[in-house]
Amino acid sequence: EPEVTQTPSHQVTQMGQEVILRCVPISNHLYFYWYRQILGQKVEFLVSFYNNEISEKSEIFDDQFSVERPDGSNFTLKIRSTKLEDSAMYFCASRRREGLETQYFGPGTRLLVL
Amino acid sequence: QKEVEQDPGPLSVPEGAIVSLNCTYSNSAFQYFMWYRQYSRKGPELLMYTYSSGNKEDGRFTAQVDKSSKYISLFIRDSQPSDSATYLCAMSFNNAGNMLTFGGGTRLMVKP
Repeated sequence: EPEVTQTPSHQVTQMGQEVILRCVPISNHLYFYWYRQILGQKVEFLVSFYNNEISEKSEIFDDQFSVERPDGSNFTLKIRSTKLEDSAMYFCASRRREGLETQYFGPGTRLLVL
Repeated sequence: QKEVEQDPGPLSVPEGAIVSLNCTYSNSAFQYFMWYRQYSRKGPELLMYTYSSGNKEDGRFTAQVDKSSKYISLFIRDSQPSDSATYLCAMSFNNAGNMLTFGGGTRLMVKP
């Protein structure tokens, strides 16, 4: 069964450094998402992406965040200058098409900012 | 008032019990309702998806939506120790972006 994959599984970085989290969505899916989950808290929406542009973003997704689909398979989340409060589990999700609303999640990248 | 609320638990039941998990929500514009299961430090795994009020059954799982009461439920019959996990409800509006709004999750423990 096709799955969303994410790399790396764990990332430790220093405050102020840039990080790029990578995702490979399910191959025939058209909509892509990033969510995050701070330890012990709710899963929170960050951004949705369709047709090579952002379709929706939350207040969390400020100028320090960006997303890109650099080729036909990868979907990345970049944090330009990490802060301590960016420490969280970051989940990528994908959805096949409009009218079919189910999103499938990857295993996540655990980001720790020191 | 929080948008989506769930009792965090933990809910502890004996193996074979029927489990009832619930969420309430405040925004009547939510149209799609999902239940995800999340094992510790893993990604959410989709269990059930429903649209509008009514029931939907899949094996041991039944999802129920009551939009008039803004209340959704997940029932698990013949619960197994492997069902021990955190159960997240999630919902979305009818728009192209389709962001999911999650509840905080209910931790379920099924004891052998």
